[in-house]
Amino acid sequence: ETGVTQTPRHLVMGMTNKKSLKCEQHLGHNAMYWYKQSAKKPLELMFVYNFKEQTENNSVPSRFSPECPNSSHLFLHLHTLQPEDSALYLCASSILSQANTGELFFGEGSRLTVL
Amino acid sequence: RKEVEQDPGPFNVPEGATVAFNCTYSNSASQSFFWYRQDCRKEPKLLMSVYSSGNEDGRFTAQLNRASQYISLLIRDSKLSDSATYLCVVNIYNAGNMLTFGGGTRLMVKP
Repeated sequence: ETGVTQTPRHLVMGMTNKKSLKCEQHLGHNAMYWYKQSAKKPLELMFVYNFKEQTENNSVPSRFSPECPNSSHLFLHLHTLQPEDSALYLCASSILSQANTGELFFGEGSRLTVL
Repeated sequence: RKEVEQDPGPFNVPEGATVAFNCTYSNSASQSFFWYRQDCRKEPKLLMSVYSSGNEDGRFTAQLNRASQYISLLIRDSKLSDSATYLCVVNIYNAGNMLTFGGGTRLMVKP
């Protein structure tokens, strides 16, 4: 049972839809992340939140909009996506002070298909 | 050039075999190194950190060569349950808590 929960696990949407991915961590961590995993490509860091403040936006298109209302919840709002945005979106959390230990705790991911 | 490069494999080995993966990284300022494991259709999980002097955890041995900028993972006495994708991960301290992942090496252990 993972301490990081993501919903929905699967999502199919059209290019004109608006949807959101949700992530919740039950580990008491203070940093949260969104990663994108596409077939045959490395995990790509999209956004980082430390203590609810966004510290990194890794050149992500504006059709992806993150929201972090508190240190336990993270959302990724999706709007007018493209078929190439189809991928597995992974949420992760860590303890900020120990970030350089390299231990991220990932959720099981939300598999997104854009038609 | 990719920041963290791995042979995607797959490496097909029989049970009981010893198998080694290498990973190279491009940024000489990289400070900390890790191996993650990702099972099919599951999330990545930390397998082990990689220390400068090399370190071992049971059947797994990790080594770091800073001069050549590569990291290795050796698995002895392979088990069927070792079948997974092994991700090489690098952290640059000045980049805060941003880990850079390699594309992964797929291992398949056969009976």
